[in-house]
Amino acid sequence: SQQGEEDPQALSIQEGENATMNCSYKTSINNLQWYRQNSGRGLVHLILIRSNEREKHSGRLRVTLDTSKKSSSLLITASRAADTASYFCATRAQGGSEKLVFGKGMKLTVNP
Amino acid sequence: NAGVMQNPRHLVRRRGQEARLRCSPMKGHSHVYWYRQLPEEGLKFMVYLQKENIIDESGMPKERFSAEFPKEGPSILRIQQVVRGDSAAYFCASSLGGGAYEQYFGPGTRLTVT
Repeated sequence: SQQGEEDPQALSIQEGENATMNCSYKTSINNLQWYRQNSGRGLVHLILIRSNEREKHSGRLRVTLDTSKKSSSLLITASRAADTASYFCATRAQGGSEKLVFGKGMKLTVNP
Repeated sequence: NAGVMQNPRHLVRRRGQEARLRCSPMKGHSHVYWYRQLPEEGLKFMVYLQKENIIDESGMPKERFSAEFPKEGPSILRIQQVVRGDSAAYFCASSLGGGAYEQYFGPGTRLTVT
């Protein structure tokens, strides 16, 4: 079953606006990772946040993690047309397998 | 440092044929993972391997699918007697170590079964 579920499933914004994507998961995790996938391409790793971290930044990306609510958010500031892609959260369960469990993804469209 | 390499990028097979998908991990990475992605879906874990060992194959179908990661050479995902439902994108990822490390993904192999 899906562990992470992204919300909303699709988002369309104008260039320069901020985009926020949310991810909810079900079990205790070791870490949570965000990936981007351009249409028909592979996945690009964006950021990893560990279960003992609450917030992380990387360039225009800001990720938060709330383990009490089992949720994470990815904020992309000052969006660009090149940010148009699908975004996935993936979790690694605590004390369990090394596998990542992905959500279905969220499609972001940034209009120029 | 080249990234994760997968070949072929596109593979067309008729029903009943065999498909062999190859993955060369990033230099220095000894952990390999295979995932499958159906259209408009997220990735689903299939198998996790280290050199010469299958560590976790909980996501692999019980029949027709096998994977290996030999001491020398790439990791291979093998699908025997393919069916239309096997049509998907298959992604390989590699990491430096276990779960605390990032997994870096290859470009994928798109398998089409006709």
